[in-house]
Amino acid sequence: DAKTTQPPSMDCAEGRAANLPCNHSTISGNEYVYWYRQIHSQGPQYIIHGLKNNETNEMASLIITEDRKSSTLILPHATLRDTAVYYCIVRVGSGNTGKLIFGQGTTLQVKP
Amino acid sequence: GAGVSQSPSNKVTEKGKDVELRCDPISGHTALYWYRQSLGQGLEFLIYFQGNSAPDKSGLPSDRFSAERTGGSVSTLTIQRTQQEDSAVYLCASSRPGAGELFFGEGSRLTVL
Repeated sequence: DAKTTQPPSMDCAEGRAANLPCNHSTISGNEYVYWYRQIHSQGPQYIIHGLKNNETNEMASLIITEDRKSSTLILPHATLRDTAVYYCIVRVGSGNTGKLIFGQGTTLQVKP
Repeated sequence: GAGVSQSPSNKVTEKGKDVELRCDPISGHTALYWYRQSLGQGLEFLIYFQGNSAPDKSGLPSDRFSAERTGGSVSTLTIQRTQQEDSAVYLCASSRPGAGELFFGEGSRLTVL
């Protein structure tokens, strides 16, 4: 699976949009981009995934560049409860075709 | 159950003892994963089950670690002759057939004294 690069930490003001970037310049055509987050002392939580089209669900939006070498997770109105470590992962296929490799992620601190 | 259930939630053991950690996946989930997370570190993949077979056990750190899954459901991770470096939170996850979304349990915190 392709390697991802994320900034180690970011701050965001409560109520503002949080934009978390991820670089995956070696991504292959059949690899999907997944985002998970881990709130302190809890198990990771799935957020969203996509292949090449932008995706939106009740939690977030995922914007993937046309060349697919990078993506951005957008939390439209960040709250204090969104403070967590956010992981960007690329993986072959959208089905359960094996392990997810978690990097170090981005620690997002939402401030009042 | 409603989610992935792991037990025990906390386990303190002495160096050299064996421990067993249990994972009950969400009903109907065919894939099951074990990860561990040391204090302040990221998630480290251990092993992946599809049904009762383990096509990927590449993350098991040594032969002291083993895992099995029976009936396509419950899985047990066994650590023999525990060492202090085995201290970590052991996380289990499961996913539906054909779905990439993993559902994680709350983990089992292992402390080896």
